[in-house]
Amino acid sequence: QQQVKQSPQSLIVQKGGISIINCAYENTAFDYFPWYQQFPGKGPALLIAIRPDVSEKKEGRFTISFNKSAKQFSLHIMDSQPGDSATYFCAASVGGGSNYKLTFGKGTLLTVNP
Amino acid sequence: NAGVTQTPKFQVLKTGQSMTLQCAQDMNHEYMSWYRQDPGMGLRLIHYSVGAGITDQGEVPNGYNVSRSTTEDFPLRLLSAAPSQTSVYFCASSSPAGLGADTQYFGPGTRLTVL
Repeated sequence: QQQVKQSPQSLIVQKGGISIINCAYENTAFDYFPWYQQFPGKGPALLIAIRPDVSEKKEGRFTISFNKSAKQFSLHIMDSQPGDSATYFCAASVGGGSNYKLTFGKGTLLTVNP
Repeated sequence: NAGVTQTPKFQVLKTGQSMTLQCAQDMNHEYMSWYRQDPGMGLRLIHYSVGAGITDQGEVPNGYNVSRSTTEDFPLRLLSAAPSQTSVYFCASSSPAGLGADTQYFGPGTRLTVL
């Protein structure tokens, strides 16, 4: 049973455009929702994270939108740049501080064309 | 700080061989985890530890053992390697939330091939 479903699998965006990646979860006990960015040959790195007490969090060009009733959250990358080309993973965990026990989506390969 | 380090970077094993993947962190993090990453599967949790002497199983623990004798080190042991264990393995560490540090830091990974 896949607890975090991520879409799309791949995404191609033109430079300056908006990239949108969506995730849906099933476990209502999840209470920590991070997004990770991974470049080829590297380990994932935390990009931005949200807790369910807020509906949106913005850090620079990156925004997480969270819809608790729909059990969905999404990553928006504004003014997408070629340097944003990477694989993005959404994740979730239970228990607030349980960031050591993440459940990941399958990933989205983002390509930003110049 | 070196962060999270993993050795080796690459390894080729034959079916049935055993080996240990090393992981160390110098951030004094209580929590450490091992994940495997397979194409199209995302990252899946193998084992985790919430402190020295405390370990537990994740989503895909079969065929792997762990121990945590110190805060810094969290080795992953493959007892009898199988081709299904061909993967990229990531170690990660973090502090409990509430201490102002939710981030789980990942190492650079070990790419393992089992023939």
